[in-house]
Amino acid sequence: DAGITQSPRHKVTETGTPVTLRCHQTENHRYMYWYRQDPGHGLRLIHYSYGVKDTDKGEVSDGYSVSRSKTEDFLLTLESATSSQTSVYFCAISDLQGVRPDTQYFGPGTRLTVL
Amino acid sequence: QKEVEQNSGPLSVPEGAIASLNCTYSDRGSQSFFWYRQYSGKSPELIMSIYSNGDKEDGRFTAQLNKASQYVSLLIRDSQPSDSATYLCAVYNNNDMRFGAGTRLTVKP
Repeated sequence: DAGITQSPRHKVTETGTPVTLRCHQTENHRYMYWYRQDPGHGLRLIHYSYGVKDTDKGEVSDGYSVSRSKTEDFLLTLESATSSQTSVYFCAISDLQGVRPDTQYFGPGTRLTVL
Repeated sequence: QKEVEQNSGPLSVPEGAIASLNCTYSDRGSQSFFWYRQYSGKSPELIMSIYSNGDKEDGRFTAQLNKASQYVSLLIRDSQPSDSATYLCAVYNNNDMRFGAGTRLTVKP
């Protein structure tokens, strides 16, 4: 998984509780991404980061926030989880060198269930 | 709305046959195109990238791109049971990567 870890790998939580998912990389890549994957929708971009403290919204950012205080860590927070946020969440990174910043490599995923 | 469309399948081929997977996209400004393989319960794994019109071959895999028709395809020659997975088409433009929902491929021994 290209030096990417995600934690936790599985989480069950209740509606209305805050949840934070962590992505950690050892590749020193500049770009990091959070996706969610749902049946019939494929992967959809939530937020991405192009450097420390530099983040931007993706296609489905409502209800999510992110932070990146270190190159290696990208956090995804659900401020108040809802059942519609039950999904598998993948972190991805892309190459620092910039020749092809678009080539993305994925972490192992976090399965989140909101009851 | 930027869309990437794939047949959901399942696509079933016998072992040793050629599997052909297709993808169309709506964003004419798209710059880069990718195929990922995803086994059940696992993360997507990059298998091919293509950036210019034509064919690109890597082992048993060939990616084909036609920007005028907004069409990308993946051919898998000599299909093996281990190729059974969901194949995701991805299209990139300016920090925006869009994925198709995937085509499930089954290779029967």
